[in-house]
Amino acid sequence: AQSVTQPDIHITVSEGASLELRCNYSYGATPYLFWYVQSPGQGLQLLLKYFSGDTLVQGIKGFEAEFKRSQSSFNLRKPSVHWSDAAEYFCAVLYPGNTPLVFGKGTRLSVIA
Amino acid sequence: DSGVTQTPKHLITATGQRVTLRCSPRSGDLSVYWYQQSLDQGLQFLIQYYNGEERAKGNILERFSAQQFPDLHSELNLSSLELGDSALYFCASSDGQGSNQPQHFGDGTRLSIL
Repeated sequence: AQSVTQPDIHITVSEGASLELRCNYSYGATPYLFWYVQSPGQGLQLLLKYFSGDTLVQGIKGFEAEFKRSQSSFNLRKPSVHWSDAAEYFCAVLYPGNTPLVFGKGTRLSVIA
Repeated sequence: DSGVTQTPKHLITATGQRVTLRCSPRSGDLSVYWYQQSLDQGLQFLIQYYNGEERAKGNILERFSAQQFPDLHSELNLSSLELGDSALYFCASSDGQGSNQPQHFGDGTRLSIL
């Protein structure tokens, strides 16, 4: 079955430290890949997406993600985390055909001083 | 602000009741998607409409139904409500019918069943 795995349920980082959130998907072909962020009480906001081309994708709020076909991964990174980045982060994949987005379970990011 | 409007923000009701959740998509978007977010199931796709017609169906219960009206707003109807239906319900919209168009999410309706 098509699935998206975010192995880390909760991550805590210090403000100013670097961040990497992991995402792995299961499928032979390359799907479309997305990262969304959800702040408390809010809907999901698209951070970035990968469809094809350059495997390093730049998004909003200083985030980037790298697609690695060999590892079926699409990890999200930020060089220096700000307290306002504390939120829930969701990786999502879209497989070929008219299929819906499949979301991971999410990773909750806490930022400490 | 995503441009997607969902009403109401909160809904509290009892088991066995019926509720209607409303969604207005971003201006110009023809596709509307409904999702359910719960602690145990995560984000689950329910159904998609494109320009008034159903396009894709996910894990939507038979007690639930949706429609998209000529003005493109959509409603999700939940009936014979059970405690397990308590969740956050999101609507998203995109400008095409293919799911590869980025989806823009509303702030959700939190449904609590007592």
